[in-house]
Amino acid sequence: GAGVSQSPSNKVTEKGKDVELRCDPISGHTALYWYRQSLGQGLEFLIYFQGNSAPDKSGLPSDRFSAERTGGSVSTLTIQRTQQEDSAVYLCASSLYSWQGSYEQYFGPGTRLTVT
Amino acid sequence: GDSVTQMEGPVTLSEEAFLTINCTYTATGYPSLFWYVQYPGEGLQLLLKATKADDKGSNKGFEATYRKETTSFHLEKGSVQVSDSAVYFCALSLTQGGSEKLVFGKGTKLTVNP
Repeated sequence: GAGVSQSPSNKVTEKGKDVELRCDPISGHTALYWYRQSLGQGLEFLIYFQGNSAPDKSGLPSDRFSAERTGGSVSTLTIQRTQQEDSAVYLCASSLYSWQGSYEQYFGPGTRLTVT
Repeated sequence: GDSVTQMEGPVTLSEEAFLTINCTYTATGYPSLFWYVQYPGEGLQLLLKATKADDKGSNKGFEATYRKETTSFHLEKGSVQVSDSAVYFCALSLTQGGSEKLVFGKGTKLTVNP
């Protein structure tokens, strides 16, 4: 079946502009995650959605970052007033829900964001 | 806080050599442990996992055992191939207060030469 898809695959934007990154999870997966992969920081957790529960936003680095998940499926990560340090690969993952955290997270191919 | 420490790379080996990539963790409670792999130009994919102490995860000739006493989850393969060249990430899964996330190590780049 289809895996996690993300769009765009690459995004170049000017400093100060807003960007939206999209994630389509695997059908039936109720849990959705956003991570950021950068050279300096490695892989960092950003935000977690599970069903209709309030999301865990504890990993968002600043209030310029926000995310939503509509209808329990597609998610959008928005970065306002982008800065050069926001340049990274943004990864989305989805999984079945397990209270033990033991289910595999399936990752999308990522969106490479470059802020000039 | 909760964290994962894995050996720094890069690691360069000849084909058929033995591979060990060390991984230790710090966590409250009893996390699940994972190895993810990122092949050149591809996304992250799960290599193997273990969900409780003394469990052994295995896949594609790779193995790792969840050692609670040493808080370790070292990745091993007896005979590497050129196609194993990739970046390997050790990770733990935290479930707290209804939330869940993976905490990753920095990654270890492996290059296998023919």
